Amino acid sequence: SQTIHQWPATLVQPVGSPLSLECTVEGTSNPNLYWYRQAAGRGLQLLFYSVGIGQISSEVPQNLSASRPQDRQFILSSKKLLLSDSGFYLCAWGTSWGKLLFGSGTQLSVL
Amino acid sequence: TQLLEQSPQFLSIQEGENLTVYCNSSSVFSSLQWYRQEPGEGPVLLVTVVTGGEVKKLKRLTFQFGDARKDSSLHITAAQPGDTGLYLCAGVENTGKLIFGQGTTLQVKP
Repeated sequence: SQTIHQWPATLVQPVGSPLSLECTVEGTSNPNLYWYRQAAGRGLQLLFYSVGIGQISSEVPQNLSASRPQDRQFILSSKKLLLSDSGFYLCAWGTSWGKLLFGSGTQLSVL
Repeated sequence: TQLLEQSPQFLSIQEGENLTVYCNSSSVFSSLQWYRQEPGEGPVLLVTVVTGGEVKKLKRLTFQFGDARKDSSLHITAAQPGDTGLYLCAGVENTGKLIFGQGTTLQVKP
């Protein structure tokens, strides 16, 4: 079956610390992968998307970066977190016809 | 980048009432999706509408795609507390990219 895993579920980090969020998918090959950020009770902002290994497109300039070291692995990183990086981060896999299968999300609090 | 305006932003109703959520754009989308999200979880796809004027029903939920494929609506009949959540519309561009609306938070009180 097709599944997507995202971890950790919650994370509290001090300002200036590094970040690494990981997402993996199972049951498919060469998936389109996405990182979104969501403010509380609001819509989703696309941060990065990837159509293949090493191929990353950034949607908005920011303090974050993404990498795709393996076909089914997508990582969101930061060298130094800012307060404004707090939010709910979602990894998603684009299935057929543009449908998205979302991970369970990571609630990041930067203090 | 196309924009999707979703309204209302917040809706609080009593169990048994009907409601409609709107999703509007000045641009045409190849299709439009509706997602439902519960707190602390990722959105879950409810439906995709593709053809202008298309109507899809999912139990008490009715989804409609505008004739010009620029807007969509979600109508819930006899809302129940289990319908509580964040409803998101997402327009699919010709490139396959999804543009999300800002979401409608629905609260159904028993």
